[in-house]
Amino acid sequence: QSALTQPPSASGSPGQSVTISCTGTSSDVGAYNYVSWYQQHPGKAPKLMIYEVSKRPSGVPDRFSASKSGNTASLTVSGLQAEDEADYYCSSYAGSNNLVFGGGTKLTVL
Amino acid sequence: QLQLQESGPGLVKPSETLSVTCTVSGGSISSSSYYWGWIRQPPGKGLEWIGSIYYSGITYYNPSLKSRVTISIDTSKNQFSLELRSVTAADTAVYYCARPPVGATLDAFDIWGQGTMVTVSS
Repeated sequence: QSALTQPPSASGSPGQSVTISCTGTSSDVGAYNYVSWYQQHPGKAPKLMIYEVSKRPSGVPDRFSASKSGNTASLTVSGLQAEDEADYYCSSYAGSNNLVFGGGTKLTVL
Repeated sequence: QLQLQESGPGLVKPSETLSVTCTVSGGSISSSSYYWGWIRQPPGKGLEWIGSIYYSGITYYNPSLKSRVTISIDTSKNQFSLELRSVTAADTAVYYCARPPVGATLDAFDIWGQGTMVTVSS
C-alpha cells in the first residue's frame, strides 16, 4: 500500500482538462511544500513534470499545472493531447529525510 | 549534458545481496551539492524511493528498507552504488538512479537513468 493515495485511472478527450489528485496526511503533503509529479510512458523512466508543488522544470509545457490544498495535491493537464497518455505519480517529502510516492494514476486520452 | 547509467546483475538468488551501480557522465558527481538517489519500481507497480547519498557520503534511507540497504559513492570513478541484502522475490524491480533539480535535495528527481531490471529468483 502506497503512502499517498491516487485514483487508479483518469481520462479525458483531446483538448479537455483533467485533474489527478494525490492525498496524503498532515505529516507529508500537508506539512511540506515539496510535492512532485512525474509522467511515465510504458518502458520509460519517469519524467519530472512538477516539483515544489507547482514549479515546472524547463521544457515542461505550461499545460501542466499543479496545486495543493491541505493534505491533497492536484495535477491538472489542460488541452489534453494524445502524448499525455501515461502513468502519473506524485511524491512528497515526509519529514525525517524520507520521501514517499503515490500508487500512480493511468491517464487515458479518449 | 549529464547522463546516468545503471548497471546490475540482472538475476540475484534469494537471500543474497543485490548490487547496482550508477555511472555519471557529462559532469562530476562531486562538483555540486546534489543528493544522488535510488528509486525502484516492481513490475506493473508504483515507484518506491530507496535512499539518497550526498556527494560527501551522507546517506538517507527509506525507513522500510533501512536495515538492508547501503548506498555508497566513489567520486574517483564518478559512480554511486546500491547494495540490498537478504533479497526476496519482492525485491524484483527496475532500479533507477536519479539526480534532483538544481536547488532541490531529496524531494524530487529530474535526471534519471534508463533503469536496470533485477530479478530475484533461484
